[in-house]
Amino acid sequence: GNSVTQMEGPVTLSEEAFLTINCTYTATGYPSLFWYVQYPGEGLQLLLKATKADDKGSNKGFEATYRKETTSFHLEKGSVQVSDSAVYFCALRASGNTPLVFGKGTRLSVIA
Amino acid sequence: KAGVTQTPRYLIKTRGQQVTLSCSPISGHRSVSWYQQTPGQGLQFLFEYFSETQRNKGNFPGRFSGRQFSNSRSEMNVSTLELGDSALYLCASSGGLRSGYGYTFGSGTRLTVV
Repeated sequence: GNSVTQMEGPVTLSEEAFLTINCTYTATGYPSLFWYVQYPGEGLQLLLKATKADDKGSNKGFEATYRKETTSFHLEKGSVQVSDSAVYFCALRASGNTPLVFGKGTRLSVIA
Repeated sequence: KAGVTQTPRYLIKTRGQQVTLSCSPISGHRSVSWYQQTPGQGLQFLFEYFSETQRNKGNFPGRFSGRQFSNSRSEMNVSTLELGDSALYLCASSGGLRSGYGYTFGSGTRLTVV
C-alpha cells in the first residue's frame, strides 16, 4: 500500500540554522506530494506541494523537490526562525480518489 | 474566501455517550475527509465523502460513521464513546485536480471522553 516515512523527531535547532527533514514514500504510479505544518493548538496548514517528478514546491522559505528516482521529498529551509517551531507532516495522495496518507510527523523546535 | 469550519472546537463527553461533529467545507469543494489525530497513532484516516457518497473508509469500528449533505457539509458521529476516542478530529476539504488534490484542513474538534 501507499506509505510515507519521515525522520523521527524532535529536531532542535538554533535560529538561522539550516533545516532538513527527510521524507521518503512508497506508492504506485505518480502520487502528489505535500508538506503540512501544524502549529500548537491548530489544524494542519498546507506548506507546499509538488504534483510530478522534479517539481519543486516552495513557500515561506521552505523548499522540497519531488525525486522519483529516490522516492523522496525532503523539506529544507536555509535559515530557520523561532516562529518555524511546529510539527511538520509529509504526505502523499496517490490519485484524486484515494485518501491523503501522512507520515508520523516531525516536531521542530527552534531556539533563539 | 472562508476556510473549512469545524464545530464545536471543544467537547467533553462521558464514556458511553454519543457525539456528532460538524464540518463545513470551502465553498465549491465536494470532497470532505475526516482524520483522527492522537499522540500515539498520529493522523489516521476515518472516511471521505464525495457528492454525498462515502468514497473511502479507513480502518475504524462501526461506531464511527459519517454523512455528507447536498450542500457538501459533513457530519461524523461516534456512538458508545470510549476513553480511547479522545482525540483531535480534523476535517479537510478538497477541490480535486484544481488544487493538485491537496486538502485544506479545519482547526479541528478536540474531543475528551471522561
